[in-house]
Amino acid sequence: DAKTTQPTSMDCAEGRAANLPCNHSTISGNEYVYWYRQIHSQGPQYIIHGLKNNETNEMASLIITEDRKSSTLILPHATLRDTAVYYCIVRVAGSGDKLTFGTGTRLAVRP
Amino acid sequence: GAGVSQSPSNKVTEKGKDVELRCDPISGHTALYWYRQSLGQGLEFLIYFQGNSAPDKSGLPSDRFSAERTGGSVSTLTIQRTQQEDSAVYLCASSLLAGGLSPYEQYFGPGTRLTVT
Repeated sequence: DAKTTQPTSMDCAEGRAANLPCNHSTISGNEYVYWYRQIHSQGPQYIIHGLKNNETNEMASLIITEDRKSSTLILPHATLRDTAVYYCIVRVAGSGDKLTFGTGTRLAVRP
Repeated sequence: GAGVSQSPSNKVTEKGKDVELRCDPISGHTALYWYRQSLGQGLEFLIYFQGNSAPDKSGLPSDRFSAERTGGSVSTLTIQRTQQEDSAVYLCASSLLAGGLSPYEQYFGPGTRLTVT
């Protein structure tokens, strides 16, 4: 799986959009971008994934650059409950393989 | 609907004792994973079950660790002769593998916090 790099920490004000960047410059053509998050003392939670096109679901939006070397996870209206560590992963679809999380980005949402 | 459940939520045991951790995956999910996470660390893969295939045990740290999955559903992770370095949160995840090139996601349980004293 391609390596990803993320900022160690970020913060944003409650109600504002949180934009979390991820670089994956060595991504292969058949690798998807996945985002998970882990709230303190809980198991990781799947957020969203994408291949080439931008994706949106009830939790977030995923913007992938045209060259696919980077992406941004957008939480449109961050709440205090969104405070968590966010992990960006790239991996082959349907590989049935284990997940490997890096250090992720610790997002702090301020009241 | 019901998510992945794990029991117990917390387990304190003495060094040298055996422990069993249980995972109930989401109904219909064919793949089941065990991971562990030490304090402030990332996720460490332990073992993976997929349907009736032989499990991928490549992440088990020693022969004191074993896991089984009965009837393609519930899984038990057993740690024999526990050591203090086994203290961690043990996480279970399940996923529904789609055919072909369809992507999938893993759904995690709340974890079992194991403390070996």
